[in-house]
This record gives sequence, C-alpha cells and structure tokens, in this order.
Amino acid sequence: DAKTTQPPSMDCAEGRAANLPCNHSTISGNEYVYWYRQIHSQGPQYIIHGLKNNETNEMASLIITEDRKSSTLILPHATLRDTAVYYCIVRVLGNSGYALNFGKGTSLLVTP
Amino acid sequence: EAQVTQNPRYLITVTGKKLTVTCSQNMNHEYMSWYRQDPGLGLRQIYYSMNVEVTDKGDVPEGYKVSRKEKRNFPLILESPSPNQTSLYFCASTPLAGGATGELFFGEGSRLTVL
Repeated sequence: DAKTTQPPSMDCAEGRAANLPCNHSTISGNEYVYWYRQIHSQGPQYIIHGLKNNETNEMASLIITEDRKSSTLILPHATLRDTAVYYCIVRVLGNSGYALNFGKGTSLLVTP
Repeated sequence: EAQVTQNPRYLITVTGKKLTVTCSQNMNHEYMSWYRQDPGLGLRQIYYSMNVEVTDKGDVPEGYKVSRKEKRNFPLILESPSPNQTSLYFCASTPLAGGATGELFFGEGSRLTVL
C-alpha cells in the first residue's frame, strides 16, 4: 500500500471547520483512501473512505484531489469531543493480501 | 451486538512468562489483525490473517506468534515476553467478501506491561 504523510498536530476552534490534510503521492489506481480517528487510548474508529469522488457522511466529508495524490478530511463543525488522533491510510479493497500501516497520524486539538 | 473482544484488557507479567492475548469477533469477518501502539510511534501492525489458516507478518512481527484455527478467533502469543513488548495492543477485523467497505472494527485494547 502507498505511504501517507500527515502533519503531526493541528488546532481548531470549537464550532469551526477542521480541515485535516493527507498526502499520498504514490497512490495507485485501485487504492482507496481511509480515515480513522482514535480518542485517547480507545480502539480507532472508522470515519470515511473514498476512491476518487468526494464523499460525505454524518461524521465528515472527504475531498480527494483530481490527481488523487492528496486528500482532506473535513469536520464541518468541530466539537471538543472531536479532539483525537486522525489517521489517513490508503489500501486496496478486496481479497488481495495487504498489511496496513496507520503511521503516526495528526493529533487534532479542538479548543473552546 | 457486533463487536471485537480482547482479553485480558490489562496484564502485568514478568520477562519470559508465556502469555496469550485472545481476540474474538462475532461478525464472521475473514480478515483479522493485531496492532501495537507505543508513544510517538502510532499504530504498527504485528500480524494479519486473510482467513482461517492464512496468516502473514506485518511491520513488527518479531517476538510474536499468531494462529487462526477458527474464523472468529485470532490469538496473539508472546512465547517469551520482554520489556520492549510493553505496549497497548489492538485487534481488528473486517469482511473481505463482496460488498465489503473495508472498514476495520477494533477491539477496546489490551494494555500489557512486561517487568
């Protein structure tokens, strides 16, 4: 799977949009972009994923650039409970063998 | 309730005393994996399994063994634990069959301390 690069930390004011970037310049055509978050030491939680179209669900939006070399996770109205470490990973979907590398992620701090 | 269950959640042991951390999922998922998490290093994959009797190494397999005799269970075995295996461990699973979204379901974690 392609590697990803994320900033180590970001701040966001409560109520504002949090935009978390991820670079995946070596992504291949059949690799999806996934986002997870981990609150404190709990098990990571799935947020959203996409291939090339922008995606939105009840938690967040995912914007993938046209060349697919980068993406942005958007939390439209961040709350204090969104303070967490956010991981961007890319992987092939399906039965092919794979090992998943979560990396170090971005530590997002939402402030009052 | 669909879940991934790990046991024990907390364990303090001594160097060289064999231990097993169990992982069980009730969602009939084909894929299961183990991660360890250490400060400043993020989540690193130890082993994964694509199905029964099929396992493969992740990024940090040294000092660990796994087995997948049944679809629902994927135990992590530390034959001779050492202090550098003190860590927070997570088990995860996901379906691989048609229609799968690729979402990983994680357990609550097992905090292991080796003295």
